[in-house]
Amino acid sequence: DIQMTQSPSSLSASVGDRVIITCRASQGITNDLGWYQQKPGKAPKRLIYAASNLQSGVPSRFSGSGSGTEFTLTISSLQPEDFATYYCLQHNSYPPTFGQGTKVDIK
Amino acid sequence: QVQLVESGGGVVQPGRSLRLSCAASGFTFSSYGMHWVRQAPGKGLEWVAVISHDGRNKYYADSVKGRFTISRDKSKNTLHLQMNSLRAEDTAVYYCARDGRVVTLNLSFDYWGQGTLVTV
Repeated sequence: DIQMTQSPSSLSASVGDRVIITCRASQGITNDLGWYQQKPGKAPKRLIYAASNLQSGVPSRFSGSGSGTEFTLTISSLQPEDFATYYCLQHNSYPPTFGQGTKVDIK
Repeated sequence: QVQLVESGGGVVQPGRSLRLSCAASGFTFSSYGMHWVRQAPGKGLEWVAVISHDGRNKYYADSVKGRFTISRDKSKNTLHLQMNSLRAEDTAVYYCARDGRVVTLNLSFDYWGQGTLVTV
C-alpha cells in the first residue's frame, strides 16, 4: 500500500495567516492526489483534485501543487470557516489511502 | 444536485451482521462507481470498498475482505454494504461516496453522504 504522510499533524493559526500543509507519498503517484476538508460531525468535502485543480465552488484562497511524491495545500489567507481537519488522498493505486490528517485550529 | 443518503447503521454485537444502504439522486447513478469509506471515532479516513458503475468489478480493503460485500441496485439507485462477522474495530461512521470520474474508476471521491454510525 502507498503510505501518505501529512505534516504537520496540527497547527494553530490566526485569521489572515497563510497556511501550508504538506503530503508525502511513499512512492510516486503522478498527480493522483486530492485534498479534503472535514469539519466536526460533517462529511469530508473535496477541495482540490488532480493535485492542483480547484473543485467547483471552492474559494480561490485554496490551492494545491506538486507531483510525484511531494504535494502541498495552501490557504492564502485563513478565514474563520477554514478551521477544520484536512486530509490528502492518493488514488493512484489500490487501495486508495489518506494521510493522517492536519487539524487547523485558532491561535 | 447530487445527494447521497446513508441508512442502516446502529448498535450490533460482535459476530453479527448489518446492512447499510445509500440512496443516490441528482445524477445518473448507473454511470458512476461508488465507494464506502469509514472513520472510526476520533480517527482518520479509511477506504472500505468500491463497485464499478455496472456492478461487475468490486474491490475491498484487506481489513474487510471476506466479511463485507458491496452491491448496487440500479432500479432503485441504491448502494449497499453487507457487513458480516462484525468486530469491535469495525465501529465507525460509514460514508458512501461517488467516484470522481464517470464510468472508468478514478478511486477519488467527489461527493459524500452524511454518514451512518455503526457501533459493534
